[in-house]
Amino acid sequence: GESVGLHLPTLSVQEGDNSIINCAYSNSASDYFIWYKQESGKGPQFIIDIRSNMDKRQGQRVTVLLNKTVKHLSLQIAATQPGDSAVYFCAELEYGNKLVFGAGTILRVKS
Amino acid sequence: DVKVTQSSRYLVKRTGEKVFLECVQDMDHENMFWYRQDPGLGLRLIYFSYDVKMKEKGDIPEGYSVSREKKERFSLILESASTNQTSMYLCASSTGHLGNTIYFGEGSWLTVV
Repeated sequence: GESVGLHLPTLSVQEGDNSIINCAYSNSASDYFIWYKQESGKGPQFIIDIRSNMDKRQGQRVTVLLNKTVKHLSLQIAATQPGDSAVYFCAELEYGNKLVFGAGTILRVKS
Repeated sequence: DVKVTQSSRYLVKRTGEKVFLECVQDMDHENMFWYRQDPGLGLRLIYFSYDVKMKEKGDIPEGYSVSREKKERFSLILESASTNQTSMYLCASSTGHLGNTIYFGEGSWLTVV
């Protein structure tokens, strides 16, 4: 569902460390989840997706974990780089192709 | 590469004006979407369309309408702009297959004064 308030959660990590961004989703019937990255002034870009019949999926430097029991999704970024600084959104697919987004998390990478 | 193009990146309109936001995609996608994005609220779905001349209300359709006369084009219309419609508007598209990725345009920043 929607978040209230004006401030996004922020995660600050040191360059080279691993990042873990968390997301709680609302609909237990959702069967497809996506992580998006949005840089300042740009539209969201697809990072990685996962279907509900999986609990883990790996990409290049990124891993998504899905825990359906507690309706929780996480994005792990290995060896975080300055170019990873952005807002990260999780999204769940409801009712066919309708995506519902979380409020987002700001990732700041310190050099 | 999939391309979703929003023709206007930055607009300033007066209260009460009619506003058109245009979106074109070049991948023959069946589905198209309009979202608005506000600080702290994430992306909220305004309207979406599964096919030409079809439209469905999203979560916040009030004050908006849409038009899908051609498969590649999905327009968002603000019949009478108000200051609370100042926002970033994002268009997106996807194929008709369940779970296929939704691709976004670069966004249109609308300020209503």
